[in-house]
Amino acid sequence: DIQMSQSPSFLSASVGDRVAITCRASQSISNYLNWYQQKPGKAPKLLIYGVSSLQSGVPSRISGSGSGTEFTLTISSLQPEDFATYFCQQTSSTPRTFGQGTKVEVK
Amino acid sequence: QVQLQESGPGLVKPSETLSLTCTVSGASMSSYYWTWIRQPAGKGLEWIGRFYIGGTTDYNPSLKSRVTMSVDTSKRQFSLNLSSVTAADTAVYYCARERYFDWIFFFDRWGQGTRVTVSA
Repeated sequence: DIQMSQSPSFLSASVGDRVAITCRASQSISNYLNWYQQKPGKAPKLLIYGVSSLQSGVPSRISGSGSGTEFTLTISSLQPEDFATYFCQQTSSTPRTFGQGTKVEVK
Repeated sequence: QVQLQESGPGLVKPSETLSLTCTVSGASMSSYYWTWIRQPAGKGLEWIGRFYIGGTTDYNPSLKSRVTMSVDTSKRQFSLNLSSVTAADTAVYYCARERYFDWIFFFDRWGQGTRVTVSA
């Protein structure tokens, strides 16, 4: 299985801050990397697929980058609705695997 | 609007079989992978498996001996059976649609999730 790890696990930030979350794969996954946002009691929501393609309706302050084994999700100016947990996921192979999550909290 | 809705018992006894159904509305079931994912309370997401109508079924090797997935296209439903459950199978279970675009795969639609507790 391909192992996915995220850092940090917790991130304290304020509205307007620029935040970045890193995701690393245990082997190269090319560009088969997606990002999801999850709020308490809700299902995950797709934000980005294929490293950097924004899902319809997702604001442009959210972006993704990277390739191979290291990837980054960036929120350029954190908004109140962005406080949530973020997961990366690889679709290079099965079983599909997710990072452990990064919780973005209010500072 | 594509919607997925999980249904099934919220409480299952140890050693018994967990059975869940996902009902799909607003979209054809063809040309997509239909998937089950679970999330223990306060923890991360675990992919259970997927199937493609008329094609392959893939299960997570960690669960493969206990998992069966099936589909009833006439009812627009697909199902998960997980046998010999233990407390470790207690989680929120999600059904999801995996689609692909230029060979990039992603989960674009999710059910709201259903909480299943394994307890005597």
